Amino acid sequence: GAGVSQSPRYKVAKRGQDVALRCDPISGHVSLFWYQQALGQGPEFLTYFQNEAQLDKSGLPSDRFFAERPEGSVSTLKIQRTQQEDSAVYLCATSYQRGRTDTQYFGPGTRLTVL
Amino acid sequence: AQSVSQHNHHVILSEAASLELGCNYSYGGTVNLFWYVQYPGQHLQLLLKYFSGDPLVKGIKGFEAEFIKSKFSFNLRKPSVQWSDTAEYFCAVYGYTDKLIFGTGTRLQVFP
Repeated sequence: GAGVSQSPRYKVAKRGQDVALRCDPISGHVSLFWYQQALGQGPEFLTYFQNEAQLDKSGLPSDRFFAERPEGSVSTLKIQRTQQEDSAVYLCATSYQRGRTDTQYFGPGTRLTVL
Repeated sequence: AQSVSQHNHHVILSEAASLELGCNYSYGGTVNLFWYVQYPGQHLQLLLKYFSGDPLVKGIKGFEAEFIKSKFSFNLRKPSVQWSDTAEYFCAVYGYTDKLIFGTGTRLQVFP
């Protein structure tokens, strides 16, 4: 496709449920980032992949959050035992080059609501 | 920790007015600076960026930003706004943390 796509666009989960959020990057993009955007805030970094390697997961807020990109393309962000504070928009961004300074192209996000 | 401040949370302008949105960052070393825009119902997209060289950077749709190192600032400007500029604008900085740090955003509303 022409841009970064994310699915689902909206997800409602009951507290304690597990969720999986998918990101399809622009073809050929090496770097992939996940961000969390709470209401009224800017995006906050969660994790960074270069191809299939997760080089930085320092932004993941707890061990309930897990991300993978097994074949260096599609990525999944999984949240286990969701809590109300996990409610946010989860953004995926990709860039063509290795490293983190290249222009990042953002997907539409997944809005997660935890009841 | 590195931080980015956007002082204007909500700006309301009439068409043809001039725009300046403030952005200040906390780190004094080498930085890469970005402005992203999110139009209603659309993705975040890059407006302009500064890596090095001329501190006055021109972006898409007539926007420009000036990097002033001594003031740790990267303010966004446009001489004459249009209704279609209604959007949320985010300043972002890449520096020593090795992460892109975003400000809280400025919501711009332009009325015809």
